[in-house]
Amino acid sequence: LAKTTQPISMDSYEGQEVNITCSHNNIATNDYITWYQQFPSQGPRFIIQGYKTKVTNEVASLFIPADRKSSTLSLPRVSLSDTAVYYCLVGGFGGSQGNLIFGKGTKLSVKP
Amino acid sequence: DSGVTQTPKHLITATGQRVTLRCSPRSGDLSVYWYQQSLDQGLQFLIQYYNGEERAKGNILERFSAQQFPDLHSELNLSSLELGDSALYFCASSAPPPRLVYNEQFFGPGTRLTVL
Repeated sequence: LAKTTQPISMDSYEGQEVNITCSHNNIATNDYITWYQQFPSQGPRFIIQGYKTKVTNEVASLFIPADRKSSTLSLPRVSLSDTAVYYCLVGGFGGSQGNLIFGKGTKLSVKP
Repeated sequence: DSGVTQTPKHLITATGQRVTLRCSPRSGDLSVYWYQQSLDQGLQFLIQYYNGEERAKGNILERFSAQQFPDLHSELNLSSLELGDSALYFCASSAPPPRLVYNEQFFGPGTRLTVL
């Protein structure tokens, strides 16, 4: 799996849009970009996945530029309950599904 | 609720002891993964089973072992416990192929192990 780099922490206020960027310079052609969210003492939870351009679901958007060397997770109008650690992972289809390699993640703190 | 269950929720034991952690995957999921999360090491992959067979191994110590039973539940056995084994242990499961989303795993609530 490709190595990823993301900020260690970010602060925001309720109602703001939060963008967390992840760098993955060595992403392979078959790799997809996946984001997980983890609350304290809970297991990670899948948020969103994309391959290129933009993906949107009910909780977030994922922006991927044409070169795919980075991606940005966008959380619209965050609330206190969005305070969590967000992990960016890169991996590909094909072969057996492997394990997930989690980095340190980005600790998002949302303040009132 | 992810649909993955883990027992026990908390476990306190002494150094040198052996414990067993149990995981039941979501209905229909064939793959089970075990992860260890400690404060200094972050979330580390230990081992994966697919339909009863070991599929991938990560940073799992020789003192640790796992298995997946015919009913697809899995157990993680930790022996000769050391203080450093204190951590949260998560189990995750994923749907069998074909699937639309790669790398989507469903995590259980975890077992918090404290070794004194």
